[in-house]
Amino acid sequence: QSALTQPASVSGSPGQSITISCTGTSSDVGSYNLVSWYQQHPGKAPKLMIYEGSKRPSGVSNRFSGSKSGNTASLTISGLQADDEADYYCCSYAGSSTYVFGTGTKVTVL
Amino acid sequence: EVQLVESGGGLVQPGGSLRLSCAASGFTFSSYWMHWVRQAPGKGLVWVSRINSDGSSTRYADSVKGRFTISRDNANNTLYLQMNSLRAEDTAVYYCVRGAPPDYWGQGTLVTVSS
Repeated sequence: QSALTQPASVSGSPGQSITISCTGTSSDVGSYNLVSWYQQHPGKAPKLMIYEGSKRPSGVSNRFSGSKSGNTASLTISGLQADDEADYYCCSYAGSSTYVFGTGTKVTVL
Repeated sequence: EVQLVESGGGLVQPGGSLRLSCAASGFTFSSYWMHWVRQAPGKGLVWVSRINSDGSSTRYADSVKGRFTISRDNANNTLYLQMNSLRAEDTAVYYCVRGAPPDYWGQGTLVTVSS
């Protein structure tokens, strides 16, 4: 049950695109197309942004997109906006009805 | 509107016990898996436990196995987490989370383990 690996921080200017990686193993990310991504603003509860690798819940901007290759999932934010500044976490199903979260990435809008 | 409201957090001494509750509304509680996820101060999210829709199956992170027990009361739309043998490293905000994948989150309840 080791945490998935994410970069500690990613930054970009308004309007740019950034990508956050989430690296797991063949026992979690690599075995299932069940990666979710969450946005968390300071002092707030996390919000689901992407599920099942690339699907967006109703109400989430299409500037957020997800993908996966092998043991690594990715979240791309296009047209970066000030309100996108937050912490982002990936989460993968890890088999046997268990889940594992990523280490988290702080996104800074320059 | 989906609502999850946690309660029961507070200050407890090492070795002590605490029971967290999560009152659910706005959806058919008995149809969903439920989870507890925690976040230590300034740290990341950590999955703690999961229970299936009828309460017949539970899973735990290795760090809490044997000390924490997840349960649910579908008649009263409430999720529980019984925490025993608490340690300083259990200090965190505990979130109640709906579903698979985990989608809606409560606002969390703070558990502080300290002497």
